[in-house]
Amino acid sequence: DGGITQSPKYLFRKEGQNVTLSCEQNLNHDAMYWYRQDPGQGLRLIYYSQIVNDFQKGDIAEGYSVSREKKESFPLTVTSAQKNPTAFYLCASSIFPGPGQETQYFGPGTRLLVL
Amino acid sequence: QKEVEQNSGPLSVPEGAIASLNCTYSDRGSQSFFWYRQYSGKSPELIMSIYSNGDKEDGRFTAQLNKASQYVSLLIRDSQPSDSATYLCAVNHNYGQNFVFGPGTRLSVLP
Repeated sequence: DGGITQSPKYLFRKEGQNVTLSCEQNLNHDAMYWYRQDPGQGLRLIYYSQIVNDFQKGDIAEGYSVSREKKESFPLTVTSAQKNPTAFYLCASSIFPGPGQETQYFGPGTRLLVL
Repeated sequence: QKEVEQNSGPLSVPEGAIASLNCTYSDRGSQSFFWYRQYSGKSPELIMSIYSNGDKEDGRFTAQLNKASQYVSLLIRDSQPSDSATYLCAVNHNYGQNFVFGPGTRLSVLP
């Protein structure tokens, strides 16, 4: 049963704490992405990775970090430097960012709340 | 700055009617276009993609692309209450890594 999984579904962060959101895919996709969605707004790109051990900043990378040590995994860490982290975080993947293969498919999301 | 604009709605249509959702984009070099549906509290799911000018039909859904006018639209025929959701337009420039998403249009189909 192929797909993208994200965990946890809900995550609570205390002041000054780093938290890590998990994203795993078994679709054999090369590219993976992290987006943030705020209420009533579209998706904004945080980081993306086209191949293992390589990743690029998106539009709102400040306060976030990622790693891509395995093709199937792309965890996102929300650091204490991110002052307004409350949002819905979505992980996506695509076969490859090339013609006809760039369609992105999304995981179920993680909702991050600040205590 | 690449931008994608959509009317935020809500767009209300009666059951059985045609819902028309519109999207405009600023980057004339954009190559591929996508419509996603997002139910409240859920993640976006792909409805369809379109790459060439003209219409593309898939069941009750038709995507229309006009690159000269820089707009893409989605028509939903025989709208059902289950179509009530937010519809996100996404535009990809030059098959690159970045999708640019519009803010979404909230559709409400009234029984």
